[in-house]
Amino acid sequence: DAGVIQSPRHEVTEMGQEVTLRCKPISGHDYLFWYRQTMMRGLELLIYFNNNVPIDDSGMPEDRFSAKMPNASFSTLKIQPSEPRDSAVYFCASSRGGEAFFGQGTRLTVV
Amino acid sequence: GNSVTQMEGPVTLSEEAFLTINCTYTATGYPSLFWYVQYPGEGLQLLLKATKADDKGSNKGFEATYRKETTSFHLEKGSVQVSDSAVYFCALTKNTGNQFYFGTGTSLTVIP
Repeated sequence: DAGVIQSPRHEVTEMGQEVTLRCKPISGHDYLFWYRQTMMRGLELLIYFNNNVPIDDSGMPEDRFSAKMPNASFSTLKIQPSEPRDSAVYFCASSRGGEAFFGQGTRLTVV
Repeated sequence: GNSVTQMEGPVTLSEEAFLTINCTYTATGYPSLFWYVQYPGEGLQLLLKATKADDKGSNKGFEATYRKETTSFHLEKGSVQVSDSAVYFCALTKNTGNQFYFGTGTSLTVIP
């Protein structure tokens, strides 16, 4: 398996623009997690899904953030409109119980 | 609630020195415990894990023992290398719900 695949690896966008981050989990994994990592706040859980259903989105910063998982092999995290304080590395991870497997992350810069 | 506390960094060691990174946890029931490592510019990778009390996880010369009596899972390595320079995260997951709880990470730099 190729592991968890995230795209794009890097994204630079202007403030106010919509940003969509994508994730393909490992086949057969039934949990999917979105994390955000910054120097100031460390690793934060934004939302996680079980069998494509959002279980806990209490970590989503505000209504500008939304996440979907239309099927078992794809998830998106959308920020609309984006702001400079959203600049961070966003990680997707998947699990089948036991350890979580992380993607390489998307480095988002909002200017 | 569930949480993980790990020692503050950054940690700087000379090559071949002994490493300990402390991790303690708070959880109800019987969590599984993990150490993840993050190399620069990469995602987190599982380093080792333990699923029940007194289990010892080990990998690449690193070890950690699940101590229920002290609610700890300290990471150790007898002789670090420059290539071990990375950020190390302690984490737990409950066996129901599968939500992960991560510590704040400890940055390790090993100098030649």
